[in-house]
Amino acid sequence: SQQGEEDPQALSIQEGENATMNCSYKTSINNLQWYRQNSGRGLVHLILIRSNEREKHSGRLRVTLDTSKKSSSLLITASRAADTASYFCATDRGNNRLAFGKGNQVVVIP
Amino acid sequence: DAGITQSPRHKVTETGTPVTLRCHQTENHRYMYWYRQDPGHGLRLIHYSYGVKDTDKGEVSDGYSVSRSKTEDFLLTLESATSSQTSVYFCAISVADNQPQHFGDGTRLSIL
Repeated sequence: SQQGEEDPQALSIQEGENATMNCSYKTSINNLQWYRQNSGRGLVHLILIRSNEREKHSGRLRVTLDTSKKSSSLLITASRAADTASYFCATDRGNNRLAFGKGNQVVVIP
Repeated sequence: DAGITQSPRHKVTETGTPVTLRCHQTENHRYMYWYRQDPGHGLRLIHYSYGVKDTDKGEVSDGYSVSRSKTEDFLLTLESATSSQTSVYFCAISVADNQPQHFGDGTRLSIL
């Protein structure tokens, strides 16, 4: 399976701290994507990183991709209470079919 | 937010009844997807479409069928609902290959 797997599964941090999540996968990919899901809502796309890229930034988000280790990380800097959500990585298997991990629950304590 | 509307948002029905969920988009995106989300499993792809009348199976397609007669609408049908199909169903759209997907807010389906 090419399914992404996030680690850790749950993370609780204080507001202002950084949060780091990791994702591992098993086969080659076209790209890897990170999504956020707030309770009761659909997923919201955060960042897409292609297989030939190593790092990407978007605001307070930083994503790295190591294709040799088949892993990615998502860093949220200076976390806010509004960052409380579940975060999913998803690998693109071609033809834009995504395989999602089980998600990572992040709680930011004000 | 991307123009994606799922209907109904909530539905309770009985085992053995047919159920149809609708996804409507106003973005004119080529690709549309149906996922189910269950605790412990994350999101799993049921079916997807890469154009009008062009559909293909995902990883959990058994018991589900889809139709796409217009660019803007993608229907998911449970021909004879079972309790194992109780889930939250999400529709997503994408403009092209290698591009992000945009999700609707989901349909919570309970089959008793």
